[in-house]
Amino acid sequence: GDSVTQMEGPVTLSEEAFLTINCTYTATGYPSLFWYVQYPGEGLQLLLKATKADDKGSNKGFEATYRKETTSFHLEKGSVQVSDSAVYFCALAHNTDKLIFGTGTRLQVFP
Amino acid sequence: GAVVSQHPSRVICKSGTSVKIECRSLDFQATTMFWYRQFPKQSLMLMATSNEGSKATYEQGVEKDKFLINHASLTLSTLTVTSAHPEDSSFYICSARDRMAGRNEQYFGPGTRLTVT
Repeated sequence: GDSVTQMEGPVTLSEEAFLTINCTYTATGYPSLFWYVQYPGEGLQLLLKATKADDKGSNKGFEATYRKETTSFHLEKGSVQVSDSAVYFCALAHNTDKLIFGTGTRLQVFP
Repeated sequence: GAVVSQHPSRVICKSGTSVKIECRSLDFQATTMFWYRQFPKQSLMLMATSNEGSKATYEQGVEKDKFLINHASLTLSTLTVTSAHPEDSSFYICSARDRMAGRNEQYFGPGTRLTVT
């Protein structure tokens, strides 16, 4: 069945460092891909998404490109801030509402 | 906009009792709501899909008689854990799909931590 694999955390960075959180997927067909972020004490929020191969999703300085050839959707940010500290979830969905999530990666950014 | 609330945020109950968790869409109408369960250091696992005015659709392996779901209105879905046991202790998260938004847009609640003693 479909699945999402993302790197284990926590990822610990200093402020202004470059961030990469790896995400790969296994799926039939051409799913949509998502990154969700969960700040402490809050619900998951959609960070960005891509619906077809080579699409780049971007939001708040974060980017991820849908790579069909490597079945990947890695999350990147050029300069992280303390306020980016959160748990990040990679997910996929086909044309149904069913989201399949990775295990989440905790990011800790220190000043 | 697109806020989903859950109540309670935390609950502790004794083994054998039942617990109800509410999920509300505060500023939009949700024809579909979803219930997830999250274990420590694991991903969210979809338990069931709740459609307003009809029976919920449960994922394989989820006991529908143990996890009762009611979606009585376009803004409220409830999950009742019946005859709770310690193994039901978990983090339960709901999401709601805005009927006016794109098909794959879900808005998540902050979750409910259930502890069964």
